[in-house]
Amino acid sequence: AQSVTQLGSHVSVSEGALVLLRCNYSSSVPPYLFWYVQYPNQGLQLLLKYTTGATLVKGINGFEAEFKKSETSFHLTKPSAHMSDAAEYFCAVRSSASKIIFGSGTRLSIRP
Amino acid sequence: GAGVSQSPSNKVTEKGKDVELRCDPISGHTALYWYRQSLGQGLEFLIYFQGNSAPDKSGLPSDRFSAERTGGSVSTLTIQRTQQEDSAVYLCASSFGGLAGGDNEQFFGPGTRLTVL
Repeated sequence: AQSVTQLGSHVSVSEGALVLLRCNYSSSVPPYLFWYVQYPNQGLQLLLKYTTGATLVKGINGFEAEFKKSETSFHLTKPSAHMSDAAEYFCAVRSSASKIIFGSGTRLSIRP
Repeated sequence: GAGVSQSPSNKVTEKGKDVELRCDPISGHTALYWYRQSLGQGLEFLIYFQGNSAPDKSGLPSDRFSAERTGGSVSTLTIQRTQQEDSAVYLCASSFGGLAGGDNEQFFGPGTRLTVL
């Protein structure tokens, strides 16, 4: 069975600081991993995804995530936060032909 | 329009009434998904359509919920005899391929916010 755990329902960082949003997953087979972002009053937008190959994945808006099989993690990072990064971030996992399972989300706030 | 559209954007209804939520997927996308997003919760899978195959209804929370997809395009999610716990944002997504293509990106609509009084 698949599952996703996002540690911290709310993360607050200062503008210019490092952003780190944590995601751990459980999957019985090699997973596909995703990060989605949801800006206020908008639908979800794919930020980045890992399928196979390089474990460090770069996405839009300067975000990246690293797939660490030994730690069953897929944490999302950005070196320097911008005010426009304030949003809800969802980690998701799917394996083979199964449904995509979403985490409960992390709300990112940016302090001026 | 290039994206997934949903209507209405907001729906307020009284407990016990039926509601219909509509989703227009991206043209050419064969797969369509419905999710529910409750306050403070993640996305809860409801139902999945792929081409002409029988839909995967395993996520529907009760028999008050049903969905159909006409002509392989537009989908309607119907909730009968609405309850206050049905209040949530209902999101629709579509993808070019179905679940067999594990990394097929899902494109999401803006959602319908349902409030049951």
